[in-house]
Amino acid sequence: DSGVTQTPKHLITATGQRVTLRCSPRSGDLSVYWYQQSLDQGLQFLIQYYNGEERAKGNILERFSAQQFPDLHSELNLSSLELGDSALYFCASSPRGAGGNTGELFFGEGSRLTVL
Amino acid sequence: GQNIDQPTEMTATEGAIVQINCTYQTSGFNGLFWYQQHAGEAPTFLSYNVLDGLEEKGRFSSFLSRSKGYSYLLLKELQMKDSASYLCAVRDIRRTTGFQKLVFGTGTRLLVSP
Repeated sequence: DSGVTQTPKHLITATGQRVTLRCSPRSGDLSVYWYQQSLDQGLQFLIQYYNGEERAKGNILERFSAQQFPDLHSELNLSSLELGDSALYFCASSPRGAGGNTGELFFGEGSRLTVL
Repeated sequence: GQNIDQPTEMTATEGAIVQINCTYQTSGFNGLFWYQQHAGEAPTFLSYNVLDGLEEKGRFSSFLSRSKGYSYLLLKELQMKDSASYLCAVRDIRRTTGFQKLVFGTGTRLLVSP
């Protein structure tokens, strides 16, 4: 157990819909990262927050948005969903930006999104 | 931007040694990491290199050459449970802000057979 909690674990929805994925980082971790992993694809970096502020952005679509709240939990909002958005969405946390001294990220179990 | 290359798939036999290579290009290199990911599960941290050389941790070792943009993960005494994807990741630092992000390669799927 990494200490990072993601909900929901599984989500099935239809094209055009909107969903929200939630992440609670490890206690004390200030940085939260979102990654997308499609079938047979690597982890694609979406976005990073540090203590409530956006710090880095990857290949995140305009239909996607995220935020980190004062209690440090984060939400990833996916709207106007398309079939290609079906993927595992991982949240990870670290004490500071990109894992501090060692760079270790602690990953949640992921949210599996299926768009039909 | 960043570019990370590693083989898509490798096979090996139980008890053998396997080396998984990773080459990278990045403008703000600040460390290279290896993660293990079993199918459908979260990635877990294996190793970290920021200076050139070999880091050994039990059956796993990781090597880095910054001048060559090259790393490898060496797995010894392979076990069936080592069948997983191995992800090479580069920590990239943005010089203007000092903030860092971890960018992953597509991973190498290792299949260990009896």
